[in-house]
Amino acid sequence: KAGVTQTPRYLIKTRGQQVTLSCSPISGHRSVSWYQQTPGQGLQFLFEYFSETQRNKGNFPGRFSGRQFSNSRSEMNVSTLELGDSALYLCASSPMVSSTDTQYFGPGTRLTVL
Amino acid sequence: DAKTTQPPSMDCAEGRAANLPCNHSTISGNEYVYWYRQIHSQGPQYIIHGLKNNETNEMASLIITEDRKSSTLILPHATLRDTAVYYCIVRVADAGNNRKLIWGLGTSLAVNP
Repeated sequence: KAGVTQTPRYLIKTRGQQVTLSCSPISGHRSVSWYQQTPGQGLQFLFEYFSETQRNKGNFPGRFSGRQFSNSRSEMNVSTLELGDSALYLCASSPMVSSTDTQYFGPGTRLTVL
Repeated sequence: DAKTTQPPSMDCAEGRAANLPCNHSTISGNEYVYWYRQIHSQGPQYIIHGLKNNETNEMASLIITEDRKSSTLILPHATLRDTAVYYCIVRVADAGNNRKLIWGLGTSLAVNP
């Protein structure tokens, strides 16, 4: 099976702009989670989607949003970009939403905000 | 929420076993311990997980203490390609039966020739 794919891999934006990142999960996986990774904070949970519904949300401002489509592909959007939004954004997929599901990660999108 | 504590860095000689410790003293009875690793600038890679019993797969072994307050990931014959940051994570189930992984900063393992 093909793994989790994320596009684009690299992105450079300026403060105040908005950005949309895309994630295609492993075929058959219905749960998609998003994480932000920065050197100082480590990996932080953003949100999780299952069957087009947001199931869980981390502690991020409303500028961060996401959605999931009927084919399980997901997008996340960040509006009014700030310098602190520069990070590696990771997407992970799993078959379902349960405590025993293993998540599989994509390569990430490296966002740089200037 | 259960949290984990790992040493920030470790070294290991190539061909030797790498034993990576993790403390999770506040873990609840139904929470799993997961291990992932992340090679520089790539997405985390799943290694292994367990609840109570020791587990082994083609990549590693996971030893969980009887009280479940700590665990050790064992890479039996470390190679240079095992150089990565290793994360020990506890799977949290909240009231809505949703779950999220609580990530720490992991252990940076350097395998030396």
